Amino acid sequence: EAQVTQNPRYLITVTGKKLTVTCSQNMNHEYMSWYRQDPGLGLRQIYYSMNVEVTDKGDVPEGYKVSRKEKRNFPLILESPSPNQTSLYFCASSSTLFGLAPYEQYFGPGTRLTVT
Amino acid sequence: QKEVEQDPGPLSVPEGAIVSLNCTYSNSAFQYFMWYRQYSRKGPELLMYTYSSGNKEDGRFTAQVDKSSKYISLFIRDSQPSDSATYLCAMSGDAGGTSYGKLTFGQGTILTVHP
Repeated sequence: EAQVTQNPRYLITVTGKKLTVTCSQNMNHEYMSWYRQDPGLGLRQIYYSMNVEVTDKGDVPEGYKVSRKEKRNFPLILESPSPNQTSLYFCASSSTLFGLAPYEQYFGPGTRLTVT
Repeated sequence: QKEVEQDPGPLSVPEGAIVSLNCTYSNSAFQYFMWYRQYSRKGPELLMYTYSSGNKEDGRFTAQVDKSSKYISLFIRDSQPSDSATYLCAMSGDAGGTSYGKLTFGQGTILTVHP
């Protein structure tokens, strides 16, 4: 089954304790991206990756890190989480073959993060 | 001012009604215009997309893009309770442009269709 998986699905942590949210896709997609979803603000893009070793900032990259060492994986790292990073996080992937824009994104199930 | 503005609603309609959802935007570089649907406790899924201007129809759904007004719409005909979800517009630029790879979403409109 074609899918994007995220782990963990739920996480409660304390301020300053480094954490990683993993994301993996099995569709051989070139493009991957991370979003956060907050009430009243919709989905906001954190980072995206056009391909292996190619990453770029989205609209809200502060406080986050990413890496793309393999095509299928795109982990999101919070080195020193703060309460304002409490949110619902989504990973997504898309094909960009033939120069298409990543308009058809396949989303993971979400990770609900609470930072106290 | 946000690049993409969407009325968050909520919108409540009776079954069978025609629903109109809208977004406005300010970035002229946007060329791809998408509508995603998100059911409760799920990730968004692509409903329709349009490249550049024009209309696109898929069953009960019609997407319209008016680039001169920087305005996009999604119409749902004969709405059903199963259409109850949050609808998010999203936009992106073309290859070679500054907005390529970046998706900008609206705030989402919560729609409830009651029997």
